[in-house]
Amino acid sequence: DVVMTQSPLSLPVTLGQPASISCKSSQSLVYSDGNTYLNWFQQRPGQPPRRLIYKVSNRDSGVPDRFSGSGSGTDFTLKISRVEAEDVGVYYCMQGTHWPTFGQGTRLEIK
Amino acid sequence: EVQLVESGGGLVKPGGSLRLSCVASGFTFSNAWMNWVRQAPGKGLEWIGRFKSKADGGTTDYAAPVKGRFIISRDDSKNTLYLQMNSLKSEDTAVYYCAMGSTSWGQGTMVTVSS
Repeated sequence: DVVMTQSPLSLPVTLGQPASISCKSSQSLVYSDGNTYLNWFQQRPGQPPRRLIYKVSNRDSGVPDRFSGSGSGTDFTLKISRVEAEDVGVYYCMQGTHWPTFGQGTRLEIK
Repeated sequence: EVQLVESGGGLVKPGGSLRLSCVASGFTFSNAWMNWVRQAPGKGLEWIGRFKSKADGGTTDYAAPVKGRFIISRDDSKNTLYLQMNSLKSEDTAVYYCAMGSTSWGQGTMVTVSS
């Protein structure tokens, strides 16, 4: 299976400051159709995961534009331009190019 | 609005069986790849299986830890996805989520395997 490695695993951030999470895959995530199936999820405490970003950089409906995704091949990044209190939770990258696998999760907390 | 509602979780002894259901609404169920994902207490997410739409072959795939013990089925006439779990182990203890693709997720149902 493709191993997804996130860093950092814990991310204390001051309100209003930016945050960045890295996700690296053990294999290229470029599919035969040319697409890269890399998603980002947010899981707030006690809630199911919510997809924020699909195919590397596309925001899902209703996701604030302070969230952005970038990357290619095996290296990907989720950025939050200005962290708000509601952003507290665990963030997961997930690849769907091969058998779906998730990163370990990054816990974002307010400093 | 897409809605996915799981049910059927509970406490079961090791070696026992349980069947989970996921009732879907708000989209064309028969066209969707439906998935089961689980999350052990305090742990991360694990994709355990999927059922492709009939148009894409209508086949199932399973993760190695559950292959041969879990069976996913669907009834498109009832907009319902099922997860039959057999030979349950303590390590199967988790919240089980039903998901439409990776887009929409249910609230999950808790399965506890313990004597």
